[in-house]
Amino acid sequence: QSVLTQPPSASGTPGQRVTISCSGSSSNIGSNTVDWYLQVPGTAPRLLIYSVNQRPSGVPARFSGSTSGTSASLAISGLQSEDEAHYYCATWDDRLNGVVFGGGTKLTVL
Amino acid sequence: VQLLESGPGLTHPGGSLRLSCAASGFNFNNYAMTWVRQAPGKGLEWVSGVSGSGGSTYYSDSVRGRFIISRDNSKSTLSLQMNSLTAEDTAVYYCVKNWKGVVAGSRNYFDQWGQGILVTVS
Repeated sequence: QSVLTQPPSASGTPGQRVTISCSGSSSNIGSNTVDWYLQVPGTAPRLLIYSVNQRPSGVPARFSGSTSGTSASLAISGLQSEDEAHYYCATWDDRLNGVVFGGGTKLTVL
Repeated sequence: VQLLESGPGLTHPGGSLRLSCAASGFNFNNYAMTWVRQAPGKGLEWVSGVSGSGGSTYYSDSVRGRFIISRDNSKSTLSLQMNSLTAEDTAVYYCVKNWKGVVAGSRNYFDQWGQGILVTVS
């Protein structure tokens, strides 16, 4: 059972906007910034969004992040087939004194 | 930036194993380093982190007391000594670079990942 809760799956059609939620608590999302990682099966994860809503160089503006209280969201607009991957949220947990990940969300582009 | 994991891929239950990660392309001692693992078909799990100086270490509850993280800044190398291994430790282990020199706290994301190394306990 992951400390951060994500839906196991999400889907959308090309061009659509999808959001992936990440629910935590006051000791993690409520106190620290959230990062998002993308993992294409068979490859290593890579940073997608950091510090809530910042995009590393090379990540399209279609990807955006936000937080509200103890929850975070990743939004993908203009969905493309290459967006099919697993998405993970992560943050520091002050009570556990370590990094916690969400269980991951598998995004399918229909 | 390059992070290259190495080590034995197979050990038996109760055994020990040492992973290494050779880092290049950045000033190694300025950044904290982390091990993240992923069991087959499962999600990501944070294992352990060490500060840039090596003076502060952190462990997940699942490995505390069994694993030891260390670094040799003179050789730009990160290590993970894994003891008392069980089948539940079977996973791909990723060597990961932190954005900051410390492990703990906010705004400290993982900006570079190695390709991972599969460790099987069987």
